[in-house]
This record gives sequence, structure tokens and C-alpha cells, in this order.
Amino acid sequence: GDSVTQMEGPVTLSEEAFLTINCTYTATGYPSLFWYVQYPGEGLQLLLKATKADDKGSNKGFEATYRKETTSFHLEKGSVQVSDSAVYFCALIRLNNAGNMLTFGGGTRLMVKP
Amino acid sequence: GAVVSQHPSRVICKSGTSVKIECRSLDFQATTMFWYRQFPKQSLMLMATSNEGSKATYEQGVEKDKFLINHASLTLSTLTVTSAHPEDSSFYICSARQGQGNYGYTFGSGTRLTVV
Repeated sequence: GDSVTQMEGPVTLSEEAFLTINCTYTATGYPSLFWYVQYPGEGLQLLLKATKADDKGSNKGFEATYRKETTSFHLEKGSVQVSDSAVYFCALIRLNNAGNMLTFGGGTRLMVKP
Repeated sequence: GAVVSQHPSRVICKSGTSVKIECRSLDFQATTMFWYRQFPKQSLMLMATSNEGSKATYEQGVEKDKFLINHASLTLSTLTVTSAHPEDSSFYICSARQGQGNYGYTFGSGTRLTVV
């Protein structure tokens, strides 16, 4: 079945450091790919998305490119801030009996120190 | 933008009692709502998918009689944890979807359930 694998955390960085969180997927067909962010004690917020190969999703300085050849959707940011500290989830769409639905990776906790 | 309100944000209940969690789409009609459970430092586990006016579809291993889901209208779904036990303590998150497309998933802010 479809699955998402992302690097285990926590990832600890100093402010203004470069961030990469790896995400790879296994899926039939051509899934849409997403990154969600979860701040402490809150639900999930959509950070960015890409719907087809070579698409680049971007938002708030974060970017991820849909790489079909490597089945990857790595999240990057050139200069992280303390406020970026959160858990990041990579996800794709898959089908179940009720139609399209999200499958999440395990989440990666990012901690940014001043 | 689309907003999903989840209530309560935190609840503490005694073992053996039932707890109801509400998930409301405030400014759109949600044809499908999803309920997730998140264990500490782990990812979200899909519990069930509910479509308005029909029975929920539960994921394998989720007890239907323990986690009752009702999706009576296009803006409201409820999850009732019946006869709660300490092992049911967790963070529960709902999500609502507009239409059948690949986008438009909006998440609630979650409910922290603690059973004592």
C-alpha cells in the first residue's frame, strides 16, 4: 500500500541555519504531496503542497519539490527561526472506501535554538 | 479561509465515563470528516472516515463500539469515547474536507483527552 517515510527527529538547529527534512513515498499512480506543520498543542496546518512531478511548493520560506524519479518531497528552508520550532509531517493522498484521504509520515520534530 | 472548530480543547474524565468531542466546519460544508488519534511523539493514526448521513468507515483495529462517530449534518461530526479508560488518553484531531478533490483538508486544533 501507499506509505510515507520521513527522517526521524528531533532535528536541532541554531537560528539562521539551513534546514532539510527528508521525505520519501511509496504510492501507485501519481499522488499529491503535502507538508503539514503542527505547533505545540495545536492541530495541523497545511504548509505547502505539490500536485505533479517537478512542481515546487513554497510557503513562509519553506520549499519542497516533487521528485518522481526519486519518489521524494524533501522540505527545505534557507534560514530557520525559533518560531519554526514544530513538528513537520509529510503526507500524500491515497484512496480508501470513502474516497481520497491523507496518509502521514511519522513526523519530524524541529527545535530551533536562539 | 476554511476553519474547523474542535471542542473541547482539553478534557479530563473519570474512568468508565463517556466523552464527546465535536468537530464543526464553520464556513463551509464538509462532505467528509476524518478522526485521527495521535500518541506522544508519534504521527497521526486515522481512526475513521465519516460521510454526512451515513455510517462511518473505521480503520482496521479501531473499535466501533468504543469510538462512536456521528456525522449528522454537513457541518458537524462528533466522536464519543465510550466507557473511557486511561489507555484512551491521547490527542484526538479531526479534519474536514470540502468536496472530493485532493486539497481542502482543514484540521481542527485537537482535543487532549486525559482519563483518570
